[in-house]
Amino acid sequence: GNSVTQMEGPVTLSEEAFLTINCTYTATGYPSLFWYVQYPGEGLQLLLKATKADDKGSNKGFEATYRKETTSFHLEKGSVQVSDSAVYFCALSDPHSGAGSYQLTFGKGTKLSVIP
Amino acid sequence: AAGVIQSPRHLIKEKRETATLKCYPIPRHDTVYWYQQGPGQDPQFLISFYEKMQSDKGSIPDRFSAQQFSDYHSELNMSSLELGDSALYFCASSPGGGYGYTFGSGTRLTVV
Repeated sequence: GNSVTQMEGPVTLSEEAFLTINCTYTATGYPSLFWYVQYPGEGLQLLLKATKADDKGSNKGFEATYRKETTSFHLEKGSVQVSDSAVYFCALSDPHSGAGSYQLTFGKGTKLSVIP
Repeated sequence: AAGVIQSPRHLIKEKRETATLKCYPIPRHDTVYWYQQGPGQDPQFLISFYEKMQSDKGSIPDRFSAQQFSDYHSELNMSSLELGDSALYFCASSPGGGYGYTFGSGTRLTVV
């Protein structure tokens, strides 16, 4: 079956530090890959996505490249801010039986805390 | 832009009671998904609907049922509530195609 493994947190960084959150996946087909962010007390927001190998998703300074050879989709940001403090979920969507169903499989989440 | 609307935002129920959660997808989105997120956990897929038909089923207990109506809104019905059902329930909608969903803000269910 499908699975997502991401680095365990929590991760604590100083402002302007470089961020990497590792994510690897197992899938039977050709999945689309996503990073979602969840701020305290809020819902899940799509941060970025990539739908095929070698695609790079980017948004708000965050980037992730779909690496089929290493089955990875690591999240990076060059300079984090206090406002980036949140929980980050790596997820995949793999075509599944049933028309139009693309359930997401999530990793366990990585809590990021950025201190001034 | 219109988002996914979930109601209620918060719900407190006693054990063995029933609860109904509602989800209104983004206009023209034909697919609705329900997820359950326990405290400190990753979201777990419960069930999905495409064009008003159940399209996929995950780890949804038999005590739960759901449907999608003609206006595409969806309801998750939960009966014989247990303490372990306390969680954040997310609804998401998409136009299909695996391009990433839009999630609602969730309903926080507390069973006491």
